[in-house]
Amino acid sequence: RKEVEQDPGPFNVPEGATVAFNCTYSNSASQSFFWYRQDCRKEPKLLMSVYSSGNEDGRFTAQLNRASQYISLLIRDSKLSDSATYLCVVNTNAGKSTFGDGTTLTVKP
Amino acid sequence: DTAVSQTPKYLVTQMGNDKSIKCEQNLGHDTMYWYKQDSKKFLKIMFSYNNKELIINETVPNRFSPKSPDKAHLNLHINSLELGDSAVYFCASSRSTSGRANEQFFGPGTRLTVL
Repeated sequence: RKEVEQDPGPFNVPEGATVAFNCTYSNSASQSFFWYRQDCRKEPKLLMSVYSSGNEDGRFTAQLNRASQYISLLIRDSKLSDSATYLCVVNTNAGKSTFGDGTTLTVKP
Repeated sequence: DTAVSQTPKYLVTQMGNDKSIKCEQNLGHDTMYWYKQDSKKFLKIMFSYNNKELIINETVPNRFSPKSPDKAHLNLHINSLELGDSAVYFCASSRSTSGRANEQFFGPGTRLTVL
């Protein structure tokens, strides 16, 4: 079993749709969680950290469920510019970062 | 004003050669990383340095040797390049290794092609 698992997609949605990605992790000692976004042929960029109580940044909402060991990302009112690969990242306090394999989102007009 | 920079951006070389990739960050971060992203786009950590000390060394061939002359630089030297080394190599940095301080900032990547 992979340490971090994501549904690879692809997710193809129309503009304005709401889409949700899930990510599960196997290491119960994991301490911090992030969502990154990677555009084609570009570097990954931090989208948002994921807090225990859940957090929202505009159209993006991240949730953490420690008991079930999964995190989620919800995107509301999808824009064409949201098309990218979304990477779930799980860190231990020892400094090890494990990236999921990414979920590809395409938003269509 | 680039936060994390890498050179070169593209590297095309023959099998068996030795090459280096350089990385510099001007964010004042203590921790730096090297990642490899293969043709299937999977991103895997290779090494992590904290205050110039190696803290993470994933299973990579001995042909890969990182060097951190100071906190702002982490270079990657690769000996006897093989076809399977072709990939995009990303450098990253973070303030520290724990919690939100582990938010990582990535360089633009070095696209290595071994012929």
